Amino acid sequence: LAKTTQPISMDSYEGQEVNITCSHNNIATNDYITWYQQFPSQGPRFIIQGYKTKVTNEVASLFIPADRKSSTLSLPRVSLSDTAVYYCLVGPMFSGGYNKLIFGAGTRLAVHP
Amino acid sequence: NAGVTQTPKFQVLKTGQSMTLQCAQDMNHNSMYWYRQDPGMGLRLIYYSASEGTTDKGEVPNGYNVSRLNKREFSLRLESAAPSQTSVYFCASNTGTGSTYEQYFGPGTRLTVT
Repeated sequence: LAKTTQPISMDSYEGQEVNITCSHNNIATNDYITWYQQFPSQGPRFIIQGYKTKVTNEVASLFIPADRKSSTLSLPRVSLSDTAVYYCLVGPMFSGGYNKLIFGAGTRLAVHP
Repeated sequence: NAGVTQTPKFQVLKTGQSMTLQCAQDMNHNSMYWYRQDPGMGLRLIYYSASEGTTDKGEVPNGYNVSRLNKREFSLRLESAAPSQTSVYFCASNTGTGSTYEQYFGPGTRLTVT
């Protein structure tokens, strides 16, 4: 499984766009990129998943360059409630089987008033 | 739908005591998982059940046993608790089709072993 590197912490202010970049230099051809969010005292919550280019949902956007060696999670106009730990995960997709989640330490995002 | 529920929410054990953590999901998911999260760390997989009737070891299975009681329920047992097992335990589930990394997590059980 590809190792990921992401900043330990980030700070932002309400209303700003936040971009969290994850490095995964050894990503394999069949690896997907997934991001989770975890609030204090809660279980992680799936945010977004992608393979290449750009994926967008109602919560965030995921940008993946052509070489796929990094990815960027973009949170538009953050609020105080976006203060959380964000995890970048990389791994293969097995159709009909089990996909193993490997969590690193994540990025602690603090949003200030 | 309640999603994934876990009991108890908090537990304090003495070294050597045993206990069972309960997990249930009402989403008709095939796969269920147990993770532990130590302070300031990411989650680590203890055991998983890809489908009813099967269980497999994850990264850190030593000191734990599991039972997939039926499709809804997946329990984690500590036979002889040790201080190193002080952690927050999360149960999760997903469809198990292998087409997504989306898992649904419960609220967690905070376990302290003294």
